[in-house]
Amino acid sequence: KNQVEQSPQSLIILEGKNCTLQCNYTVSPFSNLRWYKQDTGRGPVSLTIMTFSENTKSNGRYTATLDADTKQSSLHITASQLSDSASYICVVSAWESGGGADGLTFGKGTHLIIQP
Amino acid sequence: SQTIHQWPATLVQPVGSPLSLECTVEGTSNPNLYWYRQAAGRGLQLLFYSIGIGQISSEVPQNLSASRPQDRQFILSSKKLLLSDSGFYLCAWNRDTYNSPLHFGNGTRLTVT
Repeated sequence: KNQVEQSPQSLIILEGKNCTLQCNYTVSPFSNLRWYKQDTGRGPVSLTIMTFSENTKSNGRYTATLDADTKQSSLHITASQLSDSASYICVVSAWESGGGADGLTFGKGTHLIIQP
Repeated sequence: SQTIHQWPATLVQPVGSPLSLECTVEGTSNPNLYWYRQAAGRGLQLLFYSIGIGQISSEVPQNLSASRPQDRQFILSSKKLLLSDSGFYLCAWNRDTYNSPLHFGNGTRLTVT
């Protein structure tokens, strides 16, 4: 069964600090991995998408890494801001779906709180 | 640019009442359309997806149904709501291309009382 596990469940850090969120998956065959940011009461917004050949991808202060061998990904946030407070969701796509959304497995997300 | 609209934002309905949630996409044609439900502490659950008008695939058997009467319109319905239908419902679209990201609406918070 395809699964995506995220850790930690929740995290509180001070503004300006860095943090790293983890995602482990058992989806096979792997197609791509996506990180989404979801503000409270809003829909998720895509941060990055990585295929198996990509090790790292950045989007501003967000940097995602992927190790397809160990089936792990991380999302690193640099110099956190209050607006980074949100849930971060890891989503993995299985190959036979062609990357389509019907083949996506969602993690439960990490709830990040940035304190001033 | 493309935008997705979802309404209403919040809804409180009694058990046994009907439901209709609407989602429309602007700025693109022939999008893939999706309905997800997000329960507290759980990941997003795909309910329905559609690759074209009148083409609906159901992922989870339940008392909900979906329809796509127009290319960019997706409707989630129920004839009789259950308490377990409470949750956060999200509509999303993407292009029918490899690695196309999902674009989500802002969701509907449904409370069944």
